[in-house]
Amino acid sequence: EAGVAQSPRYKIIEKRQSVAFWCNPISGHATLYWYQQILGQGPKLLIQFQNNGVVDDSQLPKDRFSAERLKGVDSTLKIQPAKLEDSAVYLCASSLDREKIYEQYFGPGTRLTVT
Amino acid sequence: GDSVTQMEGPVTLSEEAFLTINCTYTATGYPSLFWYVQYPGEGLQLLLKATKADDKGSNKGFEATYRKETTSFHLEKGSVQVSDSAVYFCALSETGGFKTIFGAGTRLFVKA
Repeated sequence: EAGVAQSPRYKIIEKRQSVAFWCNPISGHATLYWYQQILGQGPKLLIQFQNNGVVDDSQLPKDRFSAERLKGVDSTLKIQPAKLEDSAVYLCASSLDREKIYEQYFGPGTRLTVT
Repeated sequence: GDSVTQMEGPVTLSEEAFLTINCTYTATGYPSLFWYVQYPGEGLQLLLKATKADDKGSNKGFEATYRKETTSFHLEKGSVQVSDSAVYFCALSETGGFKTIFGAGTRLFVKA
């Protein structure tokens, strides 16, 4: 079974530029999560999708972050414009459904550096 | 709000040493508790879990017991190996909740 795929693995941009990350979850997984992991901290949930609908985006900075999950499969997370404090690893995870939260499978992450 | 506190690292041990990584939590209800591990260059993966008080989760020689009276979920292993070098995250999810709260992580180095 293929795991959660993310791209790119690394990205360096200047502040005020835009960036997008892509995630392909495990086939058949209805729930998709985006986390932000700042160096020295644990992952923090940004947004959670159930199929193609948003079920929790309470910690997403909506003035600059956006995310979508077209057709309930792949997802993209965008930052526009980026700030220095957005430097972090962005993790995507998926699970069969919301109740199976302890069976989240994580991708390798995208490391973003904002200069 | 709910939170997880775990011991700061890094923790450096020699091979075959005993490992303890402390984890305590704050939650309003009765959460499920987890340990995740992140090996170098890989994504997080679930190591073990416990869903109610006094449950013991175990996997790959690691164990943790859900202690409601002390709100703790300490990770232990009797004899660590170099291959156990990784970052370990304690986490919780509220009963019926759909969100996982992670601790800051503890980096473990095991020397041969």
